[in-house]
Amino acid sequence: QMQLQESGPGLVKPSETLSLTCTVSGTFVSSGIYYWSWIRQSPGKGLEWIGYISHSGSTSYNPSLKSRVTILLDAAKNQFSLKLNSVTAADTAVYFCAGDSAPSRWFAWGQGTPVTVTS
Amino acid sequence: EIVLTQSPGTLSLSPGERATLSCRASQSLSSTSLAWYQQKPGQAPRLLIYNASSRARGTPDRFSGSGSGADFTLTINTLEPEDFAVYYCQQYGSSTFTFGRGTRLEI
Repeated sequence: QMQLQESGPGLVKPSETLSLTCTVSGTFVSSGIYYWSWIRQSPGKGLEWIGYISHSGSTSYNPSLKSRVTILLDAAKNQFSLKLNSVTAADTAVYFCAGDSAPSRWFAWGQGTPVTVTS
Repeated sequence: EIVLTQSPGTLSLSPGERATLSCRASQSLSSTSLAWYQQKPGQAPRLLIYNASSRARGTPDRFSGSGSGADFTLTINTLEPEDFAVYYCQQYGSSTFTFGRGTRLEI
């Protein structure tokens, strides 16, 4: 059974880079059937899809965040990561990693990790 | 960007009753590119329905989805106590995936 776990700093300063990692167990991130996504949730914006990376490394990002987002795959560590640069208070949210056999829906989720942007 | 409008915002029902939740898209979705999620406090969303009407693995058969185009419905027959939660619809009919703001199902 696939399990995902987010990790990373809970506090980030404005203008800096938010970096999170999702560790996957129960399957391989490089397995040829899965897509790996980041989604965030805040009281103001609700649930917001950030982007995904495929098992082969191809990516797709939300246009509203595309200029600031990078999602990478690390097959050796069985992880994928999120980098969001130039953060502001508007990026404060609970960040979830998720996975499924389709890029556009999410069956397996991490528990979520709260990130606050504050000086 | 496709905007999803969910109604009602809050639905007050009792165990044993039927719940009908609506999700309307700002434009017609290609195929049946809509999913439904359930979220309880402090938890991640849980995928219930995809492709508008297909139940995800482990979804009880009292949950059913229907609809096409721009109008979709999630029906929960014979509500159980554990069904009281927030429900979100999500579309993937365009290259940017978006969620509705949710319907809170409360006792």
